[in-house]
Amino acid sequence: DAGVTQSPTHLIKTRGQQVTLRCSPKSGHDTVSWYQQALGQGPQFIFQYYEEEERQRGNFPDRFSGHQFPNYSSELNVNALLLGDSALYLCASSSGDSNQPQHFGDGTRLSIL
Amino acid sequence: QQQVKQSPQSLIVQKGGISIINCAYENTAFDYFPWYQQFPGKGPALLIAIRPDVSEKKEGRFTISFNKSAKQFSLHIMDSQPGDSATYFCAAPGFNDYKLSFGAGTTVTVRA
Repeated sequence: DAGVTQSPTHLIKTRGQQVTLRCSPKSGHDTVSWYQQALGQGPQFIFQYYEEEERQRGNFPDRFSGHQFPNYSSELNVNALLLGDSALYLCASSSGDSNQPQHFGDGTRLSIL
Repeated sequence: QQQVKQSPQSLIVQKGGISIINCAYENTAFDYFPWYQQFPGKGPALLIAIRPDVSEKKEGRFTISFNKSAKQFSLHIMDSQPGDSATYFCAAPGFNDYKLSFGAGTTVTVRA
């Protein structure tokens, strides 16, 4: 039973560039949430996708956008990268149309130079 | 906006000892309260979660205690082992909210 998988594992970009991160949810899950975790801090909610729609969004600028595909996988896109976007980006999946325990992947470590 | 306050920031315990981490939340939620364990270079792994209609849940050496009236919940790690050395996060869903709000984390070091 595969858990949440994310790709790539690591990524290095320069300021102003754009990046796309990918996530495949745990088998049986249909809801995907994205979080940003800065070093030494707890994860911060970016947004959640359910039924291919953004269901809820956290306090992140429009430079952060996402997509969910019919197979429930998801992408996180970040445009016009800033140094402050350097962080671990985590994908979490859950099931059902209600709050259920979310399961996290190991994340993508994004470094901005 | 859900705020979750977690303490202590770090703790050191001897092998076989008990680690206790506390969390307090602001807004009432009616879903579940999870604890996550995170090792360096890894994502948070769901450790144990409790529904607010029970006051305690135990899984192996890990126990969650939940005090709904005080809006507090805690994690107890019994018989702590060096392999338990990690960062632990509590989290809480908001009221009518799909996101999880996380505490700042507690770094637990178990000395052999």
